[in-house]
Amino acid sequence: QQPVQSPQAVILREGEDAVINCSSSKALYSVHWYRQKHGEAPVFLMILLKGGEQKGHEKISASFNEKKQQSSLYLTASQLSYSGTYFCGSSYAGGTSYGKLTFGQGTILTVHP
Amino acid sequence: SQTIHQWPATLVQPVGSPLSLECTVEGTSNPNLYWYRQAAGRGLQLLFYSVGIGQISSEVPQNLSASRPQDRQFILSSKKLLLSDSGFYLCAWRGVVGTWAEKLFFGSGTQLSVL
Repeated sequence: QQPVQSPQAVILREGEDAVINCSSSKALYSVHWYRQKHGEAPVFLMILLKGGEQKGHEKISASFNEKKQQSSLYLTASQLSYSGTYFCGSSYAGGTSYGKLTFGQGTILTVHP
Repeated sequence: SQTIHQWPATLVQPVGSPLSLECTVEGTSNPNLYWYRQAAGRGLQLLFYSVGIGQISSEVPQNLSASRPQDRQFILSSKKLLLSDSGFYLCAWRGVVGTWAEKLFFGSGTQLSVL
């Protein structure tokens, strides 16, 4: 079952902040965040495991709320290079996942000068 | 270090023609391998995954098949392409981040247009 991302699209000016959410109806084991530029492969940003931890990558950080089965990606003081489509990929608790990730539909982030 | 190669980068094929996309991984052994497809403006859909030579699991019924003839080689095929097979195809393998966490490493992708 595909995780649901919100919002579908975000338009920012340089320096503004944004939050992208990823929600699942199934118990999550881990959430991965990727960014994809048009026509390119997705690039790994960070991984979060259940436990409510928060991680950071430069001015991009994320949290994992196990109780809500939700992860949020925080982009602070956005830069032009942040533009792209952001995907969350989830693996689920229980069973044998073989490392499969189920991706959300993506959030298109556009940063203007 | 590990690398993943995927080719061709771009492919234009007529409806009804066969397809063969190849993916190879270097610098690791017995990797878990995956084929994802991305339709225009859409998310990533898992098509197949493989945990070893000759072991293929299909996630969605479709016009495509996959094979793993060698440990580090993963092939996506079709006998007769449909218009709906158009999309961006990505091969990936699962690798380790840090000491225990795992992530997917993606190839550069193949943009397939079926006309």
